[in-house]
Amino acid sequence: AQSVAQPEDQVNVAEGNPLTVKCTYSVSGNPYLFWYVQYPNRGLQFLLKYITGDNLVKGSYGFEAEFNKSQTSFHLKKPSALVSDSALYFCAVRDLEGSTLGRLYFGRGTQLTVWP
Amino acid sequence: DTGVSQDPRHKITKRGQNVTFRCDPISEHNRLYWYRQTLGQGPEFLTYFQNEAQLEKSRLLSDRFSAERPKGSFSTLEIQRTEQGDSAMYLCASSLEAVNSPLHFGNGTRLTVT
Repeated sequence: AQSVAQPEDQVNVAEGNPLTVKCTYSVSGNPYLFWYVQYPNRGLQFLLKYITGDNLVKGSYGFEAEFNKSQTSFHLKKPSALVSDSALYFCAVRDLEGSTLGRLYFGRGTQLTVWP
Repeated sequence: DTGVSQDPRHKITKRGQNVTFRCDPISEHNRLYWYRQTLGQGPEFLTYFQNEAQLEKSRLLSDRFSAERPKGSFSTLEIQRTEQGDSAMYLCASSLEAVNSPLHFGNGTRLTVT
């Protein structure tokens, strides 16, 4: 069965410090992995994706994520957090095998708060 | 790129009434998805279309729910005989056909069933 786990409901970090939002996944085949951000009363905005190749992928707004196949993880990172990064972050996976190829499976989300 | 548009933004209805939501995808996207999001949860997949064909349906999509995309452009999601448990944010997204294409989401329709 396909699933995504975001073990932390909340992450708090001071502005200027590095941040990490954790994600682990479970799929039958090879994964395509995505991170999205959601601001209050808005839809989800795409940040970055891992398809193949380099395990470190870079995305929008200075975010990056590291794919680790052995740990089935795809953690989101940023070297220096901004107050404006405060939002709800979702990890998502697409399983390349099986009958559910069309859908993305989302984690429950992690609320990131960056204080000044 | 005008983005994915959803209408209405908010809908309040009484239990037992029918409601219909509309989604207009990004024009060059041939895939369209419906998700449901409740408080404290990530989006849950409901269904998706490739052009006008409905290719996948979740078990969450009970027989009270129906989605259409008649001309392969906009889509509607109808909920019949609404229940309080249907209260949620209904998100529409669109994408290109390639499996590595990200989904682009609209701002959602928030349904409240009283």
